[in-house]
Amino acid sequence: TQLLEQSPQFLSIQEGENLTVYCNSSSVFSSLQWYRQEPGEGPVLLVTVVTGGEVKKLKRLTFQFGDARKDSSLHITAAQPGDTGLYLCAGRSNFGNEKLTFGTGTRLTIIP
Amino acid sequence: EAQVTQNPRYLITVTGKKLTVTCSQNMNHEYMSWYRQDPGLGLRQIYYSMNVEVTDKGDVPEGYKVSRKEKRNFPLILESPSPNQTSLYFCATKLGRPYNEQFFGPGTRLTVL
Repeated sequence: TQLLEQSPQFLSIQEGENLTVYCNSSSVFSSLQWYRQEPGEGPVLLVTVVTGGEVKKLKRLTFQFGDARKDSSLHITAAQPGDTGLYLCAGRSNFGNEKLTFGTGTRLTIIP
Repeated sequence: EAQVTQNPRYLITVTGKKLTVTCSQNMNHEYMSWYRQDPGLGLRQIYYSMNVEVTDKGDVPEGYKVSRKEKRNFPLILESPSPNQTSLYFCATKLGRPYNEQFFGPGTRLTVL
């Protein structure tokens, strides 16, 4: 079974600070996705990274896929209260099927 | 409006009383999946379906059944619910390969007493 560990599990910081969330595995994934989930809703896709070493930016969010496609990071610059939520990484199997393995999640709280 | 709907959104039931959680999508997606979400464990896949009449086990299928008789519906059946199935359940759909994005329903919070 492929596992994805996210760290930290909980993070509470002041508005305007920077932060990084990590997603690590011993398995190789063909692609990796980041989702954000708000209370009472399902996760919503933020980004998909496919190539080892790939970096994608979404406004103040920067996503990076590790060179070996086993890990990923999400960096948020100048965090805002609207960034509050549960962040989930999800790796797509390298075995040709459609399976997504989700990480354990990082609950982020931005304090105004 | 493209959407994934789940019913019911909240359910409290008792051990052993059969229940069905419905999932319906209007996006003509081939792939549908059920997950359960528990604190500290993230989302774990229960069952998935790559197309009509094709279903397969995910990581935690014990105690659950599914069916895919038509493309738009993918019900989750708990024949004899137990307290360890108390959880938040999500249905998700996506187009087949090579598309990656999964669209999630709003969730069903199930409590089994």
